[in-house]
Amino acid sequence: DADVTQTPRNRITKTGKRIMLECSQTKGHDRMYWYRQDPGLGLRLIYYSFDVKDINKGEISDGYSVSRQAQAKFSLSLESAIPNQTALYFCATSDPGDGEKLFFGSGTQLSVL
Amino acid sequence: DQQVKQNSPSLSVQEGRISILNCDYTNSMFDYFLWYKKYPAEGPTFLISISSIKDKNEDGRFTVFLNKSAKHLSLHIVPSQPGDSAVYFCAASVNTGNQFYFGTGTSLTVIP
Repeated sequence: DADVTQTPRNRITKTGKRIMLECSQTKGHDRMYWYRQDPGLGLRLIYYSFDVKDINKGEISDGYSVSRQAQAKFSLSLESAIPNQTALYFCATSDPGDGEKLFFGSGTQLSVL
Repeated sequence: DQQVKQNSPSLSVQEGRISILNCDYTNSMFDYFLWYKKYPAEGPTFLISISSIKDKNEDGRFTVFLNKSAKHLSLHIVPSQPGDSAVYFCAASVNTGNQFYFGTGTSLTVIP
């Protein structure tokens, strides 16, 4: 089983719909992140959380919200999806004791029509 | 504004030769750098890292070089193998553990 699991793997939705992407991890890491990947732009940080009570905005948080339900769970919500939120979304975890390497899930491809 | 740049979107190399992937950054406060490899339909996986107190770090076939004065790092893969064909991202952060900034990626193709 994957250490960082993202659901769903693919999602098509319509403009204006609310959507939630979920991430769970079995690595026992406190730190969790949401990134999006767009062609020609690389990976950009949306939100990150260093523990259950800590939530921080990243480079591109507008239009997104997150919830850290437990150490192992970090979900990303789009309250009212718009087409330019079409992207590949990655959840990641890290551990300060492990050289700050990010461990990524397999990604969720989101299309907003 | 992109703080980490990979100016070559793609690179093709013959099997057995050296692959050199380049990365430039603009923020002189960056002090920790990583390279990730990404296969299609998978998330990026960590490859190698370097801290700003070093100018070289080696792990098997992979070596990362850091030139702080030029704000430039490079990843050398020797010898290149077909299984190395993937997209490579460099990333940088200020004070390890904070926000990582990623480059746009370089797609490497190793030709058998």
